[in-house]
Amino acid sequence: DVKVTQSSRYLVKRTGEKVFLECVQDMDHENMFWYRQDPGLGLRLIYFSYDVKMKEKGDIPEGYSVSREKKERFSLILESASTNQTSMYLCASRPGLAHEQFFGPGTRLTVL
Amino acid sequence: AQSVTQPDIHITVSEGASLELRCNYSYGATPYLFWYVQSPGQGLQLLLKYFSGDTLVQGIKGFEAEFKRSQSSFNLRKPSVHWSDAAEYFCASPTGTASKLTFGTGTRLQVTL
Repeated sequence: DVKVTQSSRYLVKRTGEKVFLECVQDMDHENMFWYRQDPGLGLRLIYFSYDVKMKEKGDIPEGYSVSREKKERFSLILESASTNQTSMYLCASRPGLAHEQFFGPGTRLTVL
Repeated sequence: AQSVTQPDIHITVSEGASLELRCNYSYGATPYLFWYVQSPGQGLQLLLKYFSGDTLVQGIKGFEAEFKRSQSSFNLRKPSVHWSDAAEYFCASPTGTASKLTFGTGTRLQVTL
């Protein structure tokens, strides 16, 4: 089975802190994605990566950056956390030509 | 723009009753369509997918969905709901050249005993 893991299930940070959310997948998938999930808004794509060191902006990239130094790991970075970034963050991966994405358990981030 | 719409924000059914969750899409060609389920505090799990062929697709946990081109719909059904089915359900479809998934806003299912 594909396994996508995220470094933390719950995280509490203060405004202005730099925050790293880590995602690791064990199935050699080329594509990886970061979403945020908010009530009534569904899932919105922040960034995605289709290869090591490659990244593309999603629908809501402002305030975020990403890093993909190794194929299995995709990090989401909040350079200076703000309260409006309090949300559930979901990571997903997808093999090259497929469409189905496999999701991690999510990280619920609270910024105080 | 391509979109996926879930008209129902919240649905409540009794355990043992049948269930239908609605999903509408807006595309010209035959789309790929997915249903995912998210239990409280968890990530998303794929229930079923439609790519082509048979318009009635079977998924895990006793769920099925029917693709109806004439109605631009891909509704999720289950003949008899169990209390453990209480969760949030998302319809999704790939969009764009990078096959990003576009999600509906979700339908929260509550099951009463």
